[in-house]
Amino acid sequence: GAVVSQHPSRVICKSGTSVKIECRSLDFQATTMFWYRQFPKKSLMLMATSNEGSKATYEQGVEKDKFLINHASLTLSTLTVTSAHPEDSSFYICSAAARLAGSDEQYFGPGTRLTVT
Amino acid sequence: AQSVTQPDIHITVSEGASLELRCNYSYGATPYLFWYVQSPGQGLQLLLKYFSGDTLVQGIKGFEAEFKRSQSSFNLRKPSVHWSDAAEYFCAVGANNAGNMLTFGGGTRLMVKP
Repeated sequence: GAVVSQHPSRVICKSGTSVKIECRSLDFQATTMFWYRQFPKKSLMLMATSNEGSKATYEQGVEKDKFLINHASLTLSTLTVTSAHPEDSSFYICSAAARLAGSDEQYFGPGTRLTVT
Repeated sequence: AQSVTQPDIHITVSEGASLELRCNYSYGATPYLFWYVQSPGQGLQLLLKYFSGDTLVQGIKGFEAEFKRSQSSFNLRKPSVHWSDAAEYFCAVGANNAGNMLTFGGGTRLMVKP
């Protein structure tokens, strides 16, 4: 089946630094990837939609200069949290929309736990 | 705007008992509905989905869900719960059958008593 990976799985950084999270579709091409944020014991909130070769579309309230998204290839999207602050600590999950034979759905990565100290 | 409500934040059932997790949605067109399961610290795994056709859909791990348009519901059921089913369950509605633009419910945490 379709597999989506995220790297790193956990990251701790100091306040003011930037952190990059990678999302890869391992065995399929994804023209569209999504980035979600999940607070503890809460649901997933869509942050942005990432389309290969074009600028990401951000949801209302999400700062595009804070959360930089790049989708340079059909198998890789990156989320960079710039000038991270403790309130950015969260679980970030990506997903990739796949249109495969017999399947047309969104596949989720395992998530990245970001802790900003 | 689309929305999903999962009325039960926590549910505890005994192992071997039946389970029903509730999901109500609001959507202006034909909804594409999904149930996902999330184990602690993990990503989401698709249990089942409804696009069209038979309103009773079968999923993995013995789960099923029934789409009831008149009640705007898509409840998840399992006849006999196993301890390994303890997890967080999310209902979601999407804009098209690629699962794009998913809107998630708040989730239901299932605990299983031995």
